Amino acid sequence: EAGVVQSPRYKIIEKKQPVAFWCNPISGHNTLYWYRQNLGQGPELLIRYENEEAVDDSQLPKDRFSAERLKGVDSTLKIQPAELGDSAVYLCASSLSHGGPSEQYFGPGTRLTVT
Amino acid sequence: DQQVKQNSPSLSVQEGRISILNCDYTNSMFDYFLWYKKYPAEGPTFLISISSIKDKNEDGRFTVFLNKSAKHLSLHIVPSQPGDSAVYFCAASKAGNNRKLIWGLGTSLAVNP
Repeated sequence: EAGVVQSPRYKIIEKKQPVAFWCNPISGHNTLYWYRQNLGQGPELLIRYENEEAVDDSQLPKDRFSAERLKGVDSTLKIQPAELGDSAVYLCASSLSHGGPSEQYFGPGTRLTVT
Repeated sequence: DQQVKQNSPSLSVQEGRISILNCDYTNSMFDYFLWYKKYPAEGPTFLISISSIKDKNEDGRFTVFLNKSAKHLSLHIVPSQPGDSAVYFCAASKAGNNRKLIWGLGTSLAVNP
C-alpha cells in the first residue's frame, strides 16, 4: 500500500516569493493534516481536513497561508509571501476517521528554506 | 504550556540492551497515547499506541506502559538495535477537540553497536 506522498521534498526560495506544497494521502483516508515542524520541536498542526472541509484551521496564519482540498483527496498548502521564519519542514499526514482515536500516517515532508 | 513532556532530550544505550523512553503529561483528559519514530529527512512513523483503559501494549520488541495515576508513560525497546537510533516522539489526544494530537519535543535515541 502506498504511503502519504508529498512533493517537492526540498524547496529553497527567497523571502517574499510564493511557494506551494502538494500532498496525496493514503487511499481511503478521509482525514488529512498539514503540520509544520521546526528543529527540536514536535509537529505543529496547521490545518485538518475531513474530506474537503477544513474542520480545524485555528493555527493556520491566514494572512499568508492558504490550503485547499477540493475533491477531498489530495491537498495543496501555499505560502504567499514567504518569510524567513517560515523555514521548516512541512508535513502532511492522513488517517481514517471513524469517530474514535486513530493513528496518523505521515509523508516524508517538504523541507523549506527561505533565504 | 507543554502538556506532553519528554524530559530527556537524548539517550544512549548499547546494542542488545533495553531502551526506556519516558513521557509525562499534565492533562488528565488525555485518553489515547502514541509513540512515533523519526529518522532524519523523513516524516514521523507510527510505532505503537495505547488507550487509557489499558496499562500495557506490546508489539514485538516495543512495549508501552501507561501509569495513569502518575500521568506517565514509557516506551521499552528490547533488545535495542542500531536501526532503532532515531528521535522518538510521544503524543496524546483526548475525546473532542477533533482528537488533536499534542506532541512532546522528542527524545533522540542512539543505539551503539
